[in-house]
Amino acid sequence: DIQMTQSPSSLSASVGDRVTITCRASQDISSYLNWYQHKPGEAPELLIYAASSLQGGVPSRFIGSGSGTDFTLTISGLQPEDFATYYCQQSFTTPWTFGQGTKVEVK
Amino acid sequence: QLQLQESGPRVVKPSETLSLTCSVSGGSITSTNHYWGWIRQPPGKRLEWIGSMYYSGSRHFNPSLESRVTISVDTSKNQLSLKLRSVTAADTGVYHCVRRLRLGDNYFDPWGQGILVIVSS
Repeated sequence: DIQMTQSPSSLSASVGDRVTITCRASQDISSYLNWYQHKPGEAPELLIYAASSLQGGVPSRFIGSGSGTDFTLTISGLQPEDFATYYCQQSFTTPWTFGQGTKVEVK
Repeated sequence: QLQLQESGPRVVKPSETLSLTCSVSGGSITSTNHYWGWIRQPPGKRLEWIGSMYYSGSRHFNPSLESRVTISVDTSKNQLSLKLRSVTAADTGVYHCVRRLRLGDNYFDPWGQGILVIVSS
């Protein structure tokens, strides 16, 4: 299985901050990398697919980049509704696997 | 807008079968462009893909669970179901119903809110 490792596991930030989350794959996955946002009690939501493509309806402050084994999710100007847990997922091969998550908390 | 809603028993006894249903609204489970499946998250652990199926029968499973899992579709009810046999405490977690594109980028969208299932006697 392809192992996905996110860092950090958690971070504290303030509204307006620029936040960066990284995701590393255990092997080359090209651009087959997706990002999700999950708030407690709600359905996870797709933010970014194919490493850098913004899902429809998702604010442009969410930016995905990277290819191969190293990927980044940047939130440019953190908003109150962005405090949540973020997961990366590789879609290169089955079994589809996820990172352990990064919790973005209020500083 | 497509919505997915999971339902089923919240508590299952060890060694028994976990059975969940996902009701699809706002779209058809017979879509030719999508797979339908399940993802779970044990407490304090990462999300784990369980398996997916196309409405006409093609199925893919996580090898770690394949021997215990059945996924099926009821097109007349627009529902997806999951059966996980011989459960243990390690199967406790939140179970999400998901849709995935059949071709191209294999992302999951949308997700159901999830249902917490506890395995306990």
